[in-house]
Amino acid sequence: GQQLNQSPQSMFIQEGEDVSMNCTSSSIFNTWLWYKQEPGEGPVLLIALYKAGELTSNGRLTAQFGITRKDSFLNISASIPSDVGIYFCAGQLGSGNTGKLIFGQGTTLQVKP
Amino acid sequence: DTGVSQDPRHKITKRGQNVTFRCDPISEHNRLYWYRQTLGQGPEFLTYFQNEAQLEKSRLLSDRFSAERPKGSFSTLEIQRTEQGDSAMYLCASSFRKGQQETQYFGPGTRLLVL
Repeated sequence: GQQLNQSPQSMFIQEGEDVSMNCTSSSIFNTWLWYKQEPGEGPVLLIALYKAGELTSNGRLTAQFGITRKDSFLNISASIPSDVGIYFCAGQLGSGNTGKLIFGQGTTLQVKP
Repeated sequence: DTGVSQDPRHKITKRGQNVTFRCDPISEHNRLYWYRQTLGQGPEFLTYFQNEAQLEKSRLLSDRFSAERPKGSFSTLEIQRTEQGDSAMYLCASSFRKGQQETQYFGPGTRLLVL
């Protein structure tokens, strides 16, 4: 199925470091969402972006909706061990009435204390 | 807990058996989605409902799959004659669409293993 290009695929960092991950697409999206998923659980919403150029923060997390509407990034500052998990970007197409999400393949984050 | 709930959380079945999963959305959410997630991949869209109407189905949803949302509240996803390739995590999400804005909240998922 259709998926976004999400990078990096995995990251292994030291506690306290900043993290950056991004998603790109050939399609235009009207919404970008970032989720975190832990083993055996469903994705948990972190940040929702609705406008091109929008920059939104949620605690140590910051995400931006790209101006071209084809990309988004997520930054995590001062990482801590509980940030470990898989981070997914998801885009919602702008055409039609469908709300279905297209997901990236995920970025696996590991934090070394 | 007022989040999305799914039942069962885990299901092991033998090939050829039928299985049914249930999803209870956040109350007053008018949209309900089903996704499938295999190991190492992001979720993939299967189908969605607006109230009780099923508005879109993915090509992934073969004729062995059927979903219902009879009263516009909870939904069921049934897989008939299960195959080993059906083994995956089945995720449900709900949302309330207002204009062009819509945010989907996911349940914990049902992990299916077909032996």
